[in-house]
Amino acid sequence: EIVLTQSPATLSLSPGERATLSCRASQSINSHLAWYQQNPGQPPRLLIYDASNRATGIPARFSGSGSGTDFTLTISSLEPEDFAVYYCQQRSNWPPTFGPGTKVDIK
Amino acid sequence: EVQLVESGGGLVQPGGSLRLSCAASGFSFSDYSMNWVRQAPGKGLEWVSYISSHSVSRFYIDSVKGRFTISRDNANNSVFLQMNSLRAEDTAVYYCAKGLGATMTTSDYWGQGTLVTVSS
Repeated sequence: EIVLTQSPATLSLSPGERATLSCRASQSINSHLAWYQQNPGQPPRLLIYDASNRATGIPARFSGSGSGTDFTLTISSLEPEDFAVYYCQQRSNWPPTFGPGTKVDIK
Repeated sequence: EVQLVESGGGLVQPGGSLRLSCAASGFSFSDYSMNWVRQAPGKGLEWVSYISSHSVSRFYIDSVKGRFTISRDNANNSVFLQMNSLRAEDTAVYYCAKGLGATMTTSDYWGQGTLVTVSS
C-alpha cells in the first residue's frame, strides 16, 4: 500500500497570504495524485486531479505541481473560504489512499 | 446539476448488516465509475470500495473484503454497498462519490454522506 505523508499538519496563515502544502508518496505514483478540500460537516471537494489539472469550477488561485513522489498544492492568495482541511489522494496503485490531511487555519 | 444522495445508514449492533444506497442524477451514470469512501468521527478519509462503469471491476480495501459488496443498477442510476458482519471500527460517515471517468477512483462529486454507527 502506498503511504502518503502530508506536511505541515497545520498551517496558520492570514487571508491574502500564500499557502504551500506538501504531499509525499512512499513510492512513485507518476502524476496520479489528487487534492481535495474539506470544510467541517461537508463532503470533500475535488480541487486538482492528476497532479496539476484544476477540477471544474475551481478558482485559478489553486494550483498543483509535482510528479513521482513529491507534490505541492499552492493557494496563491488565501480567501476566507479557503480555511479548511486539505487531503491528497493517489490512484496509481490499489488500494487508493489518502494522506492524513493539512489543516489551514486563520492566524 | 450532479447530485448524489446516500441513504441507509443508522445504528446497528456488532455483527449486523446494513445496505447503503446512493441515488445519482444530473450525469450519464453508466459512463462513470463509482466509489464509497468513509470517514470515522474526527478522522481522515478512507477509500472503501470501487466499481467500474459497467461493473466489470470491483475492488475493496482489505479490512472489508468478504464482508462488504458493492453493486450498481445503471437502469436506475444507483449504487449500493451491502455491509455484513459489521464491526465497531466500521463506524463512519460513508460517502458515495462519482469517478472522474469510467475506471477512476479520483472523485469529482460527492454526496453529503450517511452515518453508520456500529455499537451495542
